Amino acid sequence: GQQVMQIPQYQHVQEGEDFTTYCNSSTTLSNIQWYKQRPGGHPVFLIQLVKSGEVKKQKRLTFQFGEAKKNSSLHITATQTTDVGTYFCPSNFGNEKLTFGTGTRLTIIP
Amino acid sequence: DAGITQSPRHKVTETGTPVTLRCHQTENHRYMYWYRQDPGHGLRLIHYSYGVKDTDKGEVSDGYSVSRSKTEDFLLTLESATSSQTSVYFCAISESHRASEQYFGPGTRLTVT
Repeated sequence: GQQVMQIPQYQHVQEGEDFTTYCNSSTTLSNIQWYKQRPGGHPVFLIQLVKSGEVKKQKRLTFQFGEAKKNSSLHITATQTTDVGTYFCPSNFGNEKLTFGTGTRLTIIP
Repeated sequence: DAGITQSPRHKVTETGTPVTLRCHQTENHRYMYWYRQDPGHGLRLIHYSYGVKDTDKGEVSDGYSVSRSKTEDFLLTLESATSSQTSVYFCAISESHRASEQYFGPGTRLTVT
């Protein structure tokens, strides 16, 4: 079925380093959302991207939607221990259901 | 956080027994969802509801049933629990469909022995 592929599956970074996760689809997306799940917690909505080429920032987090609306990225500048968790980029492919993948698990080495 | 609660938060049950998980919301959102989360599989949709008594299947609906008799409550039932249904179950709500963000409950950890 339709899904968004996310890479990498795991990423370990030193505290203070930057981090990027990428989501790619073979079909054009109407929108894409980003969620963060802390260890032992529940997914929390971060942002939604709708427009081609859209870039949104939340403090150290930068979200981008590709020009062709087939890919998206999340970039974290100067990671902190509070950034630990799994990041998901689900899309609904034009229907009522969000399709989540396995996400990218970020661990921080202090 | 949105007003979503799940009960119970933890449950251990034996194979073959029925189990019902409850999701309760105070946001009056129309859409409600049940997901399961397992290592290596991410979040997978079990069933969802788009209104009172209106439900539909997700990608992993076998062995599960749902009911929604009131806007605020969405029940997930395992008619005869199996060990493969050991998982963490999340309920989510959204105000509208398609482009609407989802808000998740705290989760229920279910162990089937």
